[in-house]
Amino acid sequence: DTEVTQTPKHLVMGMTNKKSLKCEQHMGHRAMYWYKQKAKKPPELMFVYSYEKLSINESVPSRFSPECPNSSLLNLHLHALQPEDSALYLCASSPSGGADTGELFFGEGSRLTVL
Amino acid sequence: AQSVTQLGSHVSVSEGALVLLRCNYSSSVPPYLFWYVQYPNQGLQLLLKYTTGATLVKGINGFEAEFKKSETSFHLTKPSAHMSDAAEYFCAVSEVMYSSASKIIFGSGTRLSIRP
Repeated sequence: DTEVTQTPKHLVMGMTNKKSLKCEQHMGHRAMYWYKQKAKKPPELMFVYSYEKLSINESVPSRFSPECPNSSLLNLHLHALQPEDSALYLCASSPSGGADTGELFFGEGSRLTVL
Repeated sequence: AQSVTQLGSHVSVSEGALVLLRCNYSSSVPPYLFWYVQYPNQGLQLLLKYTTGATLVKGINGFEAEFKKSETSFHLTKPSAHMSDAAEYFCAVSEVMYSSASKIIFGSGTRLSIRP
């Protein structure tokens, strides 16, 4: 069983909708990540939060808005998405920022379809 | 910047045969290296990692990998393939950023198929 929980598992939305993806971990990790994965491709880093502060934004379009309310929760707010944004969105966590080896613990993902 | 290259997007072996998945890295500093596995419609699971110390690393499900600095390689092996090993495998390198969280760079992935 994964210790990183993502909801919903599947989401279908129109281009004018506003929706959110949620991620939760209770391992005491202080770094959390959003990745986007297209079919038959590797995960692509979107955002990294370290100690609840945004530390990395990989030039992601503003229609994706991350939020880290506390060290256990990570949200990804979606607005005015395009069909090409359809993908598997993966959340991950790692023990800490700083001298962290970078081992990631992944959730099972939220599969997003934009119509 | 650090990067990894996986040779072969698809590898097919017979059940019971040796599995060899190739990964080469590029790094200006001693790297942290990982192999992750992804089963269909699931997230990624860590198979094994190299940080420091012993260059032969053993992981879960009978997999192991050897860090070879002279060859800048971190190939994944398993002596005897099982049908349940069929999945996508990603090699990854960690760019440690001491002022914030680490940045993980994934290779393009290798799909492993097992023939009965």
